[in-house]
Amino acid sequence: NAGVMQNPRHLVRRRGQEARLRCSPMKGHSHVYWYRQLPEEGLKFMVYLQKENIIDESGMPKERFSAEFPKEGPSILRIQQVVRGDSAAYFCASSPRTRTDTQYFGPGTRLTVL
Amino acid sequence: GQQVMQIPQYQHVQEGEDFTTYCNSSTTLSNIQWYKQRPGGHPVFLIQLVKSGEVKKQKRLTFQFGEAKKNSSLHITATQTTDVGTYFCAVSGGGADGLTFGKGTHLIIQP
Repeated sequence: NAGVMQNPRHLVRRRGQEARLRCSPMKGHSHVYWYRQLPEEGLKFMVYLQKENIIDESGMPKERFSAEFPKEGPSILRIQQVVRGDSAAYFCASSPRTRTDTQYFGPGTRLTVL
Repeated sequence: GQQVMQIPQYQHVQEGEDFTTYCNSSTTLSNIQWYKQRPGGHPVFLIQLVKSGEVKKQKRLTFQFGEAKKNSSLHITATQTTDVGTYFCAVSGGGADGLTFGKGTHLIIQP
């Protein structure tokens, strides 16, 4: 019974490069959420997706960040032209039905921008 | 949007002592969830409280939801080294479809 999977677990990028973070939800879950956690901080909601649809991206920066959850394959969080301030842990969570269901978190991707 | 204040930010206890973290909101909450995150780990769901005045127990952990549904607490009795980590409360609703997390309480246990 695999949980939420994220890869890579650690990602190092130089300023200006692109970062692609992948998330496979738990089996049977069709709702995916992305959160960002800065050191010593709580998690900040970024975006909520269902298959092929972005439902709520109110927490996502307007520039350089995008997310998708295609019909086939994992959800992708894409950060273009990364800057040092993008260094953080990015967690994906999934839930089975609605946003009020319990969310199950993946192990996260630790992004370091040099 | 929805905001929750969580205190204290850090709590140092001797092993065997009790620990409590509090979560407060200025608005009435539909529900509240609690998560634990070990150092270097990811948030792990502990419990969800829905009803006014609800009290739930998980072994040495006691969770309470206030009568007005504006505050909640997590109490750990007789802490052990395995309890080390950061405890977050989280609420849903308030506009954004994701959870809004408190800043967390870091539990540090001195042997």
